[in-house]
Amino acid sequence: DTGVSQDPRHKITKRGQNVTFRCDPISEHNRLYWYRQTLGQGPEFLTYFQNEAQLEKSRLLSDRFSAERPKGSFSTLEIQRTEQGDSAMYLCASSLGRASGTHEQFFGPGTRLTVL
Amino acid sequence: QQQVKQSPQSLIVQKGGISIINCAYENTAFDYFPWYQQFPGKGPALLIAIRPDVSEKKEGRFTISFNKSAKQFSLHIMDSQPGDSATYFCAASNTRNYGQNFVFGPGTRLSVLP
Repeated sequence: DTGVSQDPRHKITKRGQNVTFRCDPISEHNRLYWYRQTLGQGPEFLTYFQNEAQLEKSRLLSDRFSAERPKGSFSTLEIQRTEQGDSAMYLCASSLGRASGTHEQFFGPGTRLTVL
Repeated sequence: QQQVKQSPQSLIVQKGGISIINCAYENTAFDYFPWYQQFPGKGPALLIAIRPDVSEKKEGRFTISFNKSAKQFSLHIMDSQPGDSATYFCAASNTRNYGQNFVFGPGTRLSVLP
């Protein structure tokens, strides 16, 4: 499968615990995005990477959230001291980037986080 | 100004009917408007997209109509099928921004009755 993959697909945790999600983009894509989707809403932008550089963060990304993309390949999103309000689907997307002339973002299946 | 509004929230259509979903935006810097389809438990998948230099784009049973002056665009699904039952999201992006991140509407849950 050459699409975007995310792991785990589901995560249940207790309030106050730390969680980490992984995203593997399509191999030739140099841009990687993280979005958050709550029930009944559209995805909301969190942050994006151009290769290994994190170039933009949304104000939704509090200090408890950190994302990395070492070597410009896979990315991780960590949430520290989880709160019940963090319960959501976390979506990863990748794209070829501006130079390609295309704008399509390819989404992974998401990681559903439930904070008890 | 970053918001994208979408209506209706839910839609029920008979098989063979036309499904119409409407979106509106405020930010005139937006210049790329995709529609995504999402099935339960899956990530969104691109259905069709349009740039503001055209007023209509058709791909199979799916058509986007775009009204630049009104800052509105809509998705028409012709000959709707039960397999089209999903949640549809419109989105907008400013491709001149380096990030090009999408702003999504809240979604429309479409049910096509057999």
